[in-house]
Amino acid sequence: AQKVTQAQTEISVVEKEDVTLDCVYETRDTTYYLFWYKQPPSGELVFLIRRNSFDEQNEISGRYSWNFQKSTSSFNFTITASQVVDSAVYFCALSEGTYKYIFGTGTRLKVLA
Amino acid sequence: SAVISQKPSRDICQRGTSLTIQCQVDSQVTMMFWYRQQPGQSLTLIATANQGSEATYESGFVIDKFPISRPNLTFSTLTVSNMSPEDSSIYLCSVAGTGESVQYFGPGTRLTVT
Repeated sequence: AQKVTQAQTEISVVEKEDVTLDCVYETRDTTYYLFWYKQPPSGELVFLIRRNSFDEQNEISGRYSWNFQKSTSSFNFTITASQVVDSAVYFCALSEGTYKYIFGTGTRLKVLA
Repeated sequence: SAVISQKPSRDICQRGTSLTIQCQVDSQVTMMFWYRQQPGQSLTLIATANQGSEATYESGFVIDKFPISRPNLTFSTLTVSNMSPEDSSIYLCSVAGTGESVQYFGPGTRLTVT
């Protein structure tokens, strides 16, 4: 069965600290997609990244980086030098090649000035 | 990515009434979806809005409670019928292109039922 676990309910860091958000997934399929979305207080979900199951290459985009490890079924998200504007709820999601997403429960990140 | 708008952005409604939420996209899209996000919770897919045919509902959601229309490739509506306080949620529409696994979300509609 599909499942996405974000064990960290809430994380608080001080500005400029690095922070890693964990995501562990379960799937029986060999072909699947993983996603991260950001939901700021305004409520809109902002797409951050998509990774397919055949591409384990880590990715860096500015202060954001993602570590995909199939061996541990994890797709972790690191923010380097966090800023107050990074404060949001972050969702990890899984799709098994259909349009249906399975979302994790989200991690609320608070970055304190 | 497409620009997605939703109306209304928020509303406060009385129990027993119905509210229709609109989702408008600035370009034609193949797939449109409706999600519910209850307070402090994750997102749950309500249904896939199919153009020209009945929506495809997920387990736990029924057409009588959440009727959906999709008259064309840029517009869809979700109605929340006979509302109760338990329907208080954020309702989001999302879109995806053919063969495109990424969904892009609208700004959401915050519904409070009193």
